[in-house]
Amino acid sequence: RKEVEQDPGPFNVPEGATVAFNCTYSNSASQSFFWYRQDCRKEPKLLMSVYSSGNEDGRFTAQLNRASQYISLLIRDSKLSDSATYLCVFRNSGNTPLVFGKGTRLSVIA
Amino acid sequence: DGGITQSPKYLFRKEGQNVTLSCEQNLNHDAMYWYRQDPGQGLRLIYYSQIVNDFQKGDIAEGYSVSREKKESFPLTVTSAQKNPTAFYLCASRSSGGAEETQYFGPGTRLLVL
Repeated sequence: RKEVEQDPGPFNVPEGATVAFNCTYSNSASQSFFWYRQDCRKEPKLLMSVYSSGNEDGRFTAQLNRASQYISLLIRDSKLSDSATYLCVFRNSGNTPLVFGKGTRLSVIA
Repeated sequence: DGGITQSPKYLFRKEGQNVTLSCEQNLNHDAMYWYRQDPGQGLRLIYYSQIVNDFQKGDIAEGYSVSREKKESFPLTVTSAQKNPTAFYLCASRSSGGAEETQYFGPGTRLLVL
C-alpha cells in the first residue's frame, strides 16, 4: 500500500457546487495532517491543518478519520479561484519531514 | 518582508555540468528542506536539515549534494551524476519544535537540461 493516496482527478465542477476530496494514509502512527493548495507552476501553500475533531475555515471543512486512516476536504460554494491542485500532507512524528500526496486537481467552471 | 527566496527562477544546465540552486530564508527557521516535483507528480524529498552543519538524505538524494553552513542558507547542487535533473525544485523551511508546524515554501527554481 502506498504511503499516501489521493484521487488525481481532475474534478470539474460548476461554480457554487460542493466538492469533496479524500486522502488515505498507510501509517497508523501519523500524527499531523494538512491540506496544501498548489496553483499551476507555483509553490504549495498551507490551506489548513486537520484536527481530530474536524475543523472549518469559511467554505472549507477538513475531517480526520483515524480508524479508517483518511482525511477529507470539503469545499462548499466553489469559486473559480478555487481551481488548483490540493495536496494531502502528513507528518509521521515529531520533526520528521512532511509526506506529500500527488494531489487532486480541481477545476471550477463558470 | 519575511520569507524564503530561491534563485534563479529558471536554470539551464548542460550535460555533465554541476549547478547550484540557492535557497535563503529570513524566518529564523531551524529546519530546511529540498523537494523535487515532476509534471503531474507529487513532491519528493531530496535532502533536509534540522540544524546548522547537519543534514540528512531524503528519498531521492542520489546525484544531489547540500550544505548548511548558515541557518539562513541551504543551497542544493545538482551534480552531473543526476541523469534526469529536469524538474521544479522547491525549498522549504519550518520552525522546529513548539506549536508552529507550518512549512513554508519558496517560489521554486525550474531546471532544464540543454
